[in-house]
Amino acid sequence: ILNVEQSPQSLHVQEGDSTNFTCSFPSSNFYALHWYRWETAKSPEALFVMTLNGDEKKKGRISATLNTKEGYSYLYIKGSQPEDSATYLCALSGNTPLVFGKGTRLSVIA
Amino acid sequence: EAQVTQNPRYLITVTGKKLTVTCSQNMNHEYMSWYRQDPGLGLRQIYYSMNVEVTDKGDVPEGYKVSRKEKRNFPLILESPSPNQTSLYFCASSSEAKNIQYFGAGTRLSVL
Repeated sequence: ILNVEQSPQSLHVQEGDSTNFTCSFPSSNFYALHWYRWETAKSPEALFVMTLNGDEKKKGRISATLNTKEGYSYLYIKGSQPEDSATYLCALSGNTPLVFGKGTRLSVIA
Repeated sequence: EAQVTQNPRYLITVTGKKLTVTCSQNMNHEYMSWYRQDPGLGLRQIYYSMNVEVTDKGDVPEGYKVSRKEKRNFPLILESPSPNQTSLYFCASSSEAKNIQYFGAGTRLSVL
């Protein structure tokens, strides 16, 4: 079973702060790395799927980078807003179906 | 509208009473899967299906069954539910296992 680690487990930031969190994964048998945003009482929604080492993706104030050689991905949020409060999940697709990390719970305080 | 539909959204049942949670997608996706979410444990995969009549166990398959008789439907069956199956369940579909997963709204199950 692949092990996908996310850190920190939870994070509180002030509105307007920029923040980032990490997803670590085994670099062997890598196919793709996913990021999902999961708001309370809703279902997870995809943010990014990255497949190539050095990939960078951006969606508004949220961006992500990927390093498959060392086995990590960063998710960045610039100028956090209260509506960014959610759990951010990463998931690894290797030679098995998706394996999810436990998520980073972000709370943005107005 | 492209969507994954799960039913029911909420269910309270008793130990041993067979139940089925349905999942249907209208995106012609080949890959479908079931997850359960428990506090502190994240999303764990129960079963997945790469295509019609092709299913396989995920990380936590014990106590569950699935079937994939047609592409759009992937029901989750609990033959004899037990309290440790009280959880939040999500169905998801995708064009391929490595591609973006589209999640249903979730089914909150309580087994008394």
